[in-house]
Amino acid sequence: GAVVSQHPSWVICKSGTSVKIECRSLDFQATTMFWYRQFPKQSLMLMATSNEGSKATYEQGVEKDKFLINHASLTLSTLTVTSAHPEDSSFYICSVQRGQGHKPQHFGDGTRLSIL
Amino acid sequence: KQEVTQIPAALSVPEGENLVLNCSFTDSAIYNLQWFRQDPGKGLTSLLLIQSSQREQTSGRLNASLDKSSGRSTLYIAASQPGDSATYLCAVEETSGSRLTFGEGTQLTVNP
Repeated sequence: GAVVSQHPSWVICKSGTSVKIECRSLDFQATTMFWYRQFPKQSLMLMATSNEGSKATYEQGVEKDKFLINHASLTLSTLTVTSAHPEDSSFYICSVQRGQGHKPQHFGDGTRLSIL
Repeated sequence: KQEVTQIPAALSVPEGENLVLNCSFTDSAIYNLQWFRQDPGKGLTSLLLIQSSQREQTSGRLNASLDKSSGRSTLYIAASQPGDSATYLCAVEETSGSRLTFGEGTQLTVNP
């Protein structure tokens, strides 16, 4: 069965609105969660690493005030795209990891975000 | 900064053919290398993981090799089937943590 649940799978909204994406670890307590972004025909780019109970670590070039990450529990992390614009339209994928360091990442099915 | 390149970007083959997908990376200081499969609009499914000390891994019709010193990996798919049609991504994990760097993928189409 699925290890990771990501919701919603697809969202369309108007420019200027904020959108929240949820990532749930179903099988284990995920100490670490990762958020990736994937533009069409391109690879996954890591946006941020989230550890439960602490602030997320953002990759260079990713605006932390634009992409708010909350990892309030060991089974749930949320990504909020604030004041979304058409250029934020992309495929967002989360992954979960049991523990830290060299542990396997389990990926969600992704969220297709379309900003009109 | 690690960079991962995959060749070819797209590949179309008739059913039953054996094929090879290529992945190269610029920094050989990796912990492991993984091959993933991604179906359209979906997340990633891990196919094979090769530790830096290993040379190859096999699972069914799939065989992945790793030459860390030259920064190369190949994914060999034997007797391809239409159900193998998907995008195949390789990713390297850095030694200092669990950060993955992905290639842009090879979009494979296997025609019946």
